[in-house]
Amino acid sequence: EDQVTQSPEALRLQEGESSSLNCSYTVSGLRGLFWYRQDPGKGPEFLFTLYSAGEEKEKERLKATLTKKESFLHITAPKPEDSATYLCAVQEIYGNNRLAFGKGNQVVVIP
Amino acid sequence: EPEVTQTPSHQVTQMGQEVILRCVPISNHLYFYWYRQILGQKVEFLVSFYNNEISEKSEIFDDQFSVERPDGSNFTLKIRSTKLEDSAMYFCASSNGVHDTQYFGPGTRLTVL
Repeated sequence: EDQVTQSPEALRLQEGESSSLNCSYTVSGLRGLFWYRQDPGKGPEFLFTLYSAGEEKEKERLKATLTKKESFLHITAPKPEDSATYLCAVQEIYGNNRLAFGKGNQVVVIP
Repeated sequence: EPEVTQTPSHQVTQMGQEVILRCVPISNHLYFYWYRQILGQKVEFLVSFYNNEISEKSEIFDDQFSVERPDGSNFTLKIRSTKLEDSAMYFCASSNGVHDTQYFGPGTRLTVL
């Protein structure tokens, strides 16, 4: 069973068209939820860490929020350079420090 | 800004050959990781390393894999006898503390023929 499920898998947006990406997670206890951006053929680039329900983080046109079951990455007025795959990962509270990733949300922003 | 570096960027090898992938973690970080991503699939955890020993490994990390910190700056992943299914992007990551943010390198694309 996947610990992290991301939806939608792929999304095409017009420049300036705001949208939200969803990350649903199933863990026995959440230590942290991480959002990364990945460009084709590159490594994941860190965006945000969220630790507790109700927490919000913002960076430029991106805003991440967290509830007890899911996280949202809101993209406000996106630009073509926001085109990327956005990865969500969770780290469990008990023992290990591995990150469990979802399959990602592939976003294409059309000028 | 400090970053994780990896070499080579692309490695092509024949099935059954040994490969060593190299990483230089961020200099003051203490925890090191390897992940892999098969084309079109999700990023998967392989192993974490702290204080010169493996702290956790996944079911993927079998006896064909090993990790080493041969000196104060490098962190390596060795695959003893490569298989076709080892073809993937391999990412090194490092973090300052055990539950701190993990920063990833650019990856090594491994192609096994």
